[in-house]
Amino acid sequence: DAEITQSPRHKITETGRQVTLACHQTWNHNNMFWYRQDLGHGLRLIHYSYGVQDTNKGEVSDGYSVSRSNTEDLPLTLESAASSQTSVYFCASSEGGIRYNEQFFGPGTRLTVL
Amino acid sequence: AQSVAQPEDQVNVAEGNPLTVKCTYSVSGNPYLFWYVQYPNRGLQFLLKYITGDNLVKGSYGFEAEFNKSQTSFHLKKPSALVSDSALYFCAVRASYNTDKLIFGTGTRLQVFP
Repeated sequence: DAEITQSPRHKITETGRQVTLACHQTWNHNNMFWYRQDLGHGLRLIHYSYGVQDTNKGEVSDGYSVSRSNTEDLPLTLESAASSQTSVYFCASSEGGIRYNEQFFGPGTRLTVL
Repeated sequence: AQSVAQPEDQVNVAEGNPLTVKCTYSVSGNPYLFWYVQYPNRGLQFLLKYITGDNLVKGSYGFEAEFNKSQTSFHLKKPSALVSDSALYFCAVRASYNTDKLIFGTGTRLQVFP
């Protein structure tokens, strides 16, 4: 069955370190998204991609970057981790096109920055 | 700008009673609305969506949602709640035309008591 996976599921890191969170989908979806979930804020969009070599900033992109070298993967990199980036991170994908598609979500990565 | 609001942080209901989780929206143009559910330590799961057509949309797990254009609402409903329905529910709206990018509400925690 097609799925979307994230790794690691839990990560503890120190302030200033570079961290990369992996996202891999086997749906063959064009669109991929990264969100962070924080209490009182719901989900906020960090970055998104509509296809290979395409990346776009979301509403909370400062301090994060992504790259899309193939259809299946959209890794999220925290350039220099800050305590404010402690959060739960979710990756999602959708088929794309103008078919008003729902997004499919991964299980999440809980990141703690000390 | 598109937005959704979930006015209740938490909804409590007794098992067997009907439940309603509220969502109001603000959009320019046609609204494309979604409901997702999140169980503890899991990613979001798609429940249902409204694109056009019937104002009553049926989705997964016996849930349905009523689109009301005059009240700009898209409330999630279920005739008879189950304890297993206890979870975090998110309403979302498509960010703009011809995109799968979503804007999420802050979430409503549903607690169903035996």
